[in-house]
Amino acid sequence: RKEVEQDPGPFNVPEGATVAFNCTYSNSASQSFFWYRQDCRKEPKLLMSVYSSGNEDGRFTAQLNRASQYISLLIRDSKLSDSATYLCVVTNDYKLSFGAGTTVTVRA
Amino acid sequence: DADVTQTPRNRITKTGKRIMLECSQTKGHDRMYWYRQDPGLGLRLIYYSFDVKDINKGEISDGYSVSRQAQAKFSLSLESAIPNQTALYFCATSDPGTIYNEQFFGPGTRLTVL
Repeated sequence: RKEVEQDPGPFNVPEGATVAFNCTYSNSASQSFFWYRQDCRKEPKLLMSVYSSGNEDGRFTAQLNRASQYISLLIRDSKLSDSATYLCVVTNDYKLSFGAGTTVTVRA
Repeated sequence: DADVTQTPRNRITKTGKRIMLECSQTKGHDRMYWYRQDPGLGLRLIYYSFDVKDINKGEISDGYSVSRQAQAKFSLSLESAIPNQTALYFCATSDPGTIYNEQFFGPGTRLTVL
């Protein structure tokens, strides 16, 4: 079983729409949780950390459910520039485990 | 200028050849990592180094070796390349002093082994 599993998508949404997707992780001892963004085979970049209490960064909202071991990301008012692959990342000490990514395409 | 650089950016080589991928960083981070990315799979850790004298295997180290020449430089070698090592390779750095161990990635090296 993969440590981190994501729906690969693609999620194809119109501009202005809301899109949400989850990932699940297998190690209940995982300590920290993140969403990274990767554009078209470029390097991944940190989008936001994820906290149990939920956190927002502009149009992005992340949520962690430790009991069910899943992490969610919601994007409101989607922009064309949000088109990317979103990587779910879970850490245990130094080690990052990456999901394969969820592809989002925002169309005009 | 980029904080984490990788050379070459693209490389095509033949089975059995030795190849070295290089990574340099100006972030002053002690920790450096090598990952590979394959379609449909997440990034997988090949090797990591917490300082110049510290080298550790990741989850897929077979067929690879590394050298940490200095704090700023971390090289990945394929001693005898094989086609299933065709992948996108990323170097990354992190600062253990930060709470969340954010990793900063280089632009990647696209390697094709024929």
